[in-house]
Amino acid sequence: DGGITQSPKYLFRKEGQNVTLSCEQNLNHDAMYWYRQDPGQGLRLIYYSQIVNDFQKGDIAEGYSVSREKKESFPLTVTSAQKNPTAFYLCASTEGLYGYTFGSGTRLTVV
Amino acid sequence: SQQGEEDPQALSIQEGENATMNCSYKTSINNLQWYRQNSGRGLVHLILIRSNEREKHSGRLRVTLDTSKKSSSLLITASRAADTASYFCATDAQGAQKLVFGQGTRLTINP
Repeated sequence: DGGITQSPKYLFRKEGQNVTLSCEQNLNHDAMYWYRQDPGQGLRLIYYSQIVNDFQKGDIAEGYSVSREKKESFPLTVTSAQKNPTAFYLCASTEGLYGYTFGSGTRLTVV
Repeated sequence: SQQGEEDPQALSIQEGENATMNCSYKTSINNLQWYRQNSGRGLVHLILIRSNEREKHSGRLRVTLDTSKKSSSLLITASRAADTASYFCATDAQGAQKLVFGQGTRLTINP
């Protein structure tokens, strides 16, 4: 079945540590997106990529980094510069600006 | 930046009743989409309506779009307990290559 796989489902980060969230899709979609969701809130765009080896900052890119070396993969690194990283992170992909397909999310907690 | 604003923020109704959620946005759009999110899960695409459409149906869902008022509504008829979820509208501003999500409406269906 085609879809998006995010891993891990739960992630714990110590202060000052970088962590990487995985996002893999087998839908052959060109565009991929990372969103952050805080409790009871909507989604805020972190980074997005329309094509391999190219990506753009979203509204809250500070403290995050991404890469897009393969069409199927769009990993997100939460760096130590992100002072409040505890949130639910969602990855999505689409072919053109139609319905997005979302992964099941990664819940990141700072310990 | 939040393009869409949903209203109400929370809605609680009895099973079998109809549920109506509203979304307002600020800039000209190509299309507007509605998504559902069950607690702790990713978002699921429900329906897309283009800027030149006024109404669209999908099963028990009915979406309207009024571009002159920059607003949309989502009607769920004959609600079921399984409809309990958060509902988000999302818009793509003309010229943009990304969706911007609203804060969502939290819908509770009471048995």
